[in-house]
Amino acid sequence: DGGITQSPKYLFRKEGQNVTLSCEQNLNHDAMYWYRQDPGQGLRLIYYSQIVNDFQKGDIAEGYSVSREKKESFPLTVTSAQKNPTAFYLCASSWGQGSHEQYFGPGTRLTVT
Amino acid sequence: GDSVTQMEGPVTLSEEAFLTINCTYTATGYPSLFWYVQYPGEGLQLLLKATKADDKGSNKGFEATYRKETTSFHLEKGSVQVSDSAVYFCALSDPISNFGNEKLTFGTGTRLTIIP
Repeated sequence: DGGITQSPKYLFRKEGQNVTLSCEQNLNHDAMYWYRQDPGQGLRLIYYSQIVNDFQKGDIAEGYSVSREKKESFPLTVTSAQKNPTAFYLCASSWGQGSHEQYFGPGTRLTVT
Repeated sequence: GDSVTQMEGPVTLSEEAFLTINCTYTATGYPSLFWYVQYPGEGLQLLLKATKADDKGSNKGFEATYRKETTSFHLEKGSVQVSDSAVYFCALSDPISNFGNEKLTFGTGTRLTIIP
């Protein structure tokens, strides 16, 4: 079955540690996205990538980093510079320019204490 | 910039009631419009979409019509079920303001609870 996988579903870290969230897709999509979801705020775009080895900052990129070395993978690192990292993180992918529809993974809930 | 405003929640209805969740938007160009649904603890699933004015998107009994004159994309369902309980997000993709890419701009979401 084609789809997007995110792992783990729940992640706990101590303050000051970097943590990397995994996102893998086997849909052969060109574009991938990371969103952050907080209660009552909808989804906010962190980073996106339209092709391998290229990515752009979204609306709230500070304190995050990404890489896109393979078409299938778009890991997100939450660094210690992110002031409020506890949130639900969603990865998505799409075919690329023209199709508009995004497919979402199940999400990772990160708790930093 | 682009924005999406949707009806504040939470919304609580009895089973078989009529549902409307309002959504209005502001966009630079001619966006595509979407409704996504999120069940507890899960990611988002596309519910329906419309890509041009007067298009009607429909799926699983839900409908929404792209109204350019009122910049709206209200979600409706004639008879809701308990299984429709979820959070609903209105979103747009504006290739003009996004320079051709497919970034989505989301509303804040509306939590819907259906009581048996």
